[in-house]
Amino acid sequence: ELKVEQNPLFLSMQEGKNYTIYCNYSTTSDRLYWYRQDPGKSLESLFVLLSNGAVKQEGRLMASLDTKARLSTLHITAAVHDLSATYFCAVVPSGGGADGLTFGKGTHLIIQP
Amino acid sequence: EPEVTQTPSHQVTQMGQEVILRCVPISNHLYFYWYRQILGQKVEFLVSFYNNEISEKSEIFDDQFSVERPDGSNFTLKIRSTKLEDSAMYFCASSESLGGAYEQYFGPGTRLTVT
Repeated sequence: ELKVEQNPLFLSMQEGKNYTIYCNYSTTSDRLYWYRQDPGKSLESLFVLLSNGAVKQEGRLMASLDTKARLSTLHITAAVHDLSATYFCAVVPSGGGADGLTFGKGTHLIIQP
Repeated sequence: EPEVTQTPSHQVTQMGQEVILRCVPISNHLYFYWYRQILGQKVEFLVSFYNNEISEKSEIFDDQFSVERPDGSNFTLKIRSTKLEDSAMYFCASSESLGGAYEQYFGPGTRLTVT
């Protein structure tokens, strides 16, 4: 059974600071996704990571994937209040057929002015 | 920009009743999914659907649940004899294809409240 673990689950930080969210998964995977969810809202796709060493950046967010360590990171640079949200990583196992995503529990991020 | 739509946005039902949640996937997408999120918890996969049949389903998707694509645009999730623990946000998603960089695009969700 594929397990996806995120840490931390809760993070309160100040604007301007840097921080990293970690996502570990238990079996080999074809690809890893990062989603953002605002309270009461749907899931917004941030990144799709397909291969070992993949790195993607969008604004103050950068995601990376290490398939050998089964680890992905989401790095936040110089955080701003607008980035406050819950961030989920989700994984599809290798040979995962019709691609039901397995999600982590999410990291609830609060960025304080 | 094309998007997945879902109706209703909020459904309240009594325990034991049947509900149908509706989704309109993005028009050129071929793969359809239902997920649920119990309040404050992670998102859980329920079922995937392709070529008018179920492709994959999770342990949650038992005989109480069914899916259907009744016409060329709608994709529905039926929950028979609802239970209190079915209260959750239900998300529909669609994808153009499998694998590679094909993303699953999520709809806004239907909040189901079972009383």
